[in-house]
Amino acid sequence: EVQLVESGGGLVQPGRSLKLSCAASGFTFSDYYMAWVRQAPTKGLEWVASISYDGGSTYYRDSVKGRFTISRDNAKSSLYLQMDSLRSEDTATYYCTTGGAYWGQGTLVTVSS
Amino acid sequence: DIQMTQSPPSLSASLGDKVTITCQASQNINKYIAWYQQKPGKAPRQLIRYTSTLVSGTPSRFSGSGSGRDYSFSISNVESEDIASYYCLQYDNLWTFGGGTKLELK
Repeated sequence: EVQLVESGGGLVQPGRSLKLSCAASGFTFSDYYMAWVRQAPTKGLEWVASISYDGGSTYYRDSVKGRFTISRDNAKSSLYLQMDSLRSEDTATYYCTTGGAYWGQGTLVTVSS
Repeated sequence: DIQMTQSPPSLSASLGDKVTITCQASQNINKYIAWYQQKPGKAPRQLIRYTSTLVSGTPSRFSGSGSGRDYSFSISNVESEDIASYYCLQYDNLWTFGGGTKLELK
């Protein structure tokens, strides 16, 4: 059974950092392009970042470029999102997904003083 | 960046109705569109990929069609378990989600 389990969310002050993790199991992690998608409270889905199978290519939405870094460790079947210089508008539930097919349950990030 | 215009934002239907949601891309997306269902407090669930391919486990009352810039998603014979929000996603060039459609019971 495919499982994606996000962790690392929480309450953080504006300007601070947070690192999200996504532990994958039930499939060959290195075979999948991975992505982070977020959803602000009561809002729609928003793509944040993607990473290629080997981590050699990364892609970001404009609003997080230079602040967020997506990475993966295929040996550990894990996906990460390093979030720096956080802003209130980054408040959302963050989901990891295997190229859109499988999704984790999400982890809530709240940016507030 | 590709923009996805999804309509309507909300939809009211009776059980057994057929409903249709549309997504228009700002440019040709070569049929690289997926459709998702999301219930409150839950992660999105992929229903359809590549315009019209039903994902395993998706009931046959769901369907998708389209080409170029214009795509549609339909539910025939709406059931109570279909009450949810629906999103399109283009994945031809990076990813862009549509704004979502909230399906409610009339």
